[in-house]
Amino acid sequence: QKEVEQDPGPLSVPEGAIVSLNCTYSNSAFQYFMWYRQYSRKGPELLMYTYSSGNKEDGRFTAQVDKSSKYISLFIRDSQPSDSATYLCAMRGQGAQKLVFGQGTRLTINP
Amino acid sequence: ETGVTQTPRHLVMGMTNKKSLKCEQHLGHNAMYWYKQSAKKPLELMFVYSLEERVENNSVPSRFSPECPNSSHLFLHLHTLQPEDSALYLCASSQEQNSNQPQHFGDGTRLSIL
Repeated sequence: QKEVEQDPGPLSVPEGAIVSLNCTYSNSAFQYFMWYRQYSRKGPELLMYTYSSGNKEDGRFTAQVDKSSKYISLFIRDSQPSDSATYLCAMRGQGAQKLVFGQGTRLTINP
Repeated sequence: ETGVTQTPRHLVMGMTNKKSLKCEQHLGHNAMYWYKQSAKKPLELMFVYSLEERVENNSVPSRFSPECPNSSHLFLHLHTLQPEDSALYLCASSQEQNSNQPQHFGDGTRLSIL
């Protein structure tokens, strides 16, 4: 079993839709959870960074962490064509800097 | 310049060549990383440097040789690579190796082995 599971997609939705991206994990020691966005021919760019369970909102983006279910989500409201990218979840435990990444979900927002 | 800069952006080399990838960070960070990104696979951590000292080597073949002359620069020396080594090589940096601050990535070097 992989430590982090992420549906690679591809996921294609119309502009303006609400997008839900998800990852599940098996290691209960993970405490820090990140979402990175990676455009084509670019490196991953940090989008959201959360600690432990709960929600965090930043503009059109909301990150949710449910540690009891070992499940994290990224919601994108009012999706735009510029949101088309690959979204990577990443996580690590307390005191350990080794990040464990999901495979990435390729998202396309159609105008 | 700001952020993490990687050169070259693209590299094509034969299996017998020797080349080097360069990474420079302008964030004042003390930890630097090399990752390999292959299609349809999660990012694979290759090497970690903290304050110019290598602290992690994830069973990477010896044909990959890292070098960290100072906290702002990181190199990956390549020799006698194999076709399966073709991938995007990403450099990242963070404040400290064990800090709670996230890693920041460069745009990578797209490596193709003929």
